Amino acid sequence: AQKVTQAQTEISVVEKEDVTLDCVYETRDTTYYLFWYKQPPSGELVFLIRRNSFDEQNEISGRYSWNFQKSTSSFNFTITASQVVDSAVYFCALSGLNSGGGADGLTFGKGTHLIIQP
Amino acid sequence: DGGITQSPKYLFRKEGQNVTLSCEQNLNHDAMYWYRQDPGQGLRLIYYSQIVNDFQKGDIAEGYSVSREKKESFPLTVTSAQKNPTAFYLCASSFGQDERGNTIYFGEGSWLTVV
Repeated sequence: AQKVTQAQTEISVVEKEDVTLDCVYETRDTTYYLFWYKQPPSGELVFLIRRNSFDEQNEISGRYSWNFQKSTSSFNFTITASQVVDSAVYFCALSGLNSGGGADGLTFGKGTHLIIQP
Repeated sequence: DGGITQSPKYLFRKEGQNVTLSCEQNLNHDAMYWYRQDPGQGLRLIYYSQIVNDFQKGDIAEGYSVSREKKESFPLTVTSAQKNPTAFYLCASSFGQDERGNTIYFGEGSWLTVV
């Protein structure tokens, strides 16, 4: 069975601070994908990043960066110089592959509510 | 614009009634999914479909039904058998049976409240 744990239920920081959201996963699959999604108050989930299990290279996209470490089964997300618009619920998710190579769906963590105070 | 359209945004249901949530996508995605989100919780998979006329149960399929008669459409019916249907429902889609298929995109969601 797959499992994703986001231990931080809520984080509150002041604008311009850096913040890291933690994600720990469990899977028996050798090939899998990890994702981060952002859910603003409107409710829609916005795709941020996908990482496959064979690519441990860290990724940076503007103020966002991701640290994937298979040794600790973690896929952490850092926002640098946070802004009020970053306030949202962030979900980490895991997907295995079915026999056809497609996704059966995502296993989500419970999310971290990030509050950026002005 | 390309995307996933869910309707209605807000829906009220009386106990004992069936209701159907619509989901349409024009992304030419093969796979479609329905998730349920409860307050303060992550998303849980209800049903998914990799191709037309085929679908599989997810983790919490009891009390729900789906159909996939067209590639673009994947409606979800919340039946009276679902004992606690009040939740936020999210439809999603992906390319499905290839490497691109592992990125799943979401609609804006539908709020269902039992009154």
